[in-house]
Amino acid sequence: AQSVAQPEDQVNVAEGNPLTVKCTYSVSGNPYLFWYVQYPNRGLQFLLKYITGDNLVKGSYGFEAEFNKSQTSFHLKKPSALVSDSALYFCAVRDMDNNNDMRFGAGTRLTVKP
Amino acid sequence: DGGITQSPKYLFRKEGQNVTLSCEQNLNHDAMYWYRQDPGQGLRLIYYSQIVNDFQKGDIAEGYSVSREKKESFPLTVTSAQKNPTAFYLCASSTVWTSGSAYEQYFGPGTRLTVT
Repeated sequence: AQSVAQPEDQVNVAEGNPLTVKCTYSVSGNPYLFWYVQYPNRGLQFLLKYITGDNLVKGSYGFEAEFNKSQTSFHLKKPSALVSDSALYFCAVRDMDNNNDMRFGAGTRLTVKP
Repeated sequence: DGGITQSPKYLFRKEGQNVTLSCEQNLNHDAMYWYRQDPGQGLRLIYYSQIVNDFQKGDIAEGYSVSREKKESFPLTVTSAQKNPTAFYLCASSTVWTSGSAYEQYFGPGTRLTVT
């Protein structure tokens, strides 16, 4: 079965600095990978996804993620963090050769300080 | 939060009572899902439905029930058998996966259930 690990519960960065939120995955087949963001007391919002092709995926709000098959990672990045990026971030994976079941990581809380 | 609505936003119940959470979508999606979110545990799948009148158990279905009588609606009932029902409940929908395609799930705003 597929699984996702987000090794950091919390990431703190200063405004204007680059940010990285880490994600590693495990699937038996080929992965579909996703990043979502959640603001307090709200549902999840889709940021970006990797299906196939270019390993660098660009998404909403200036975020991007890099797929690395050898390291089974899909880290979320942004060149310059904003205070408004502070939120809870979830990585998710689905095995493209499996059914519709999507697995989410436990989440990483990003805090961007002015 | 797209075209998915969940009501109510906050819900309070006494222990031993069943409670039904509403989820409606106008995105014409075939698949709908219910997740439970607890601090530090991410999202756990309760039930999902790929088509009307059909649904499947997820990882933590015990103490929950669902129905899918209409494509737009996927209500979740939290029964008195659920031992720790206090949580944030999220409904989602997506197009049904077909070979060679991928989809993202669209989430509603959530319902925070407190049982005392």
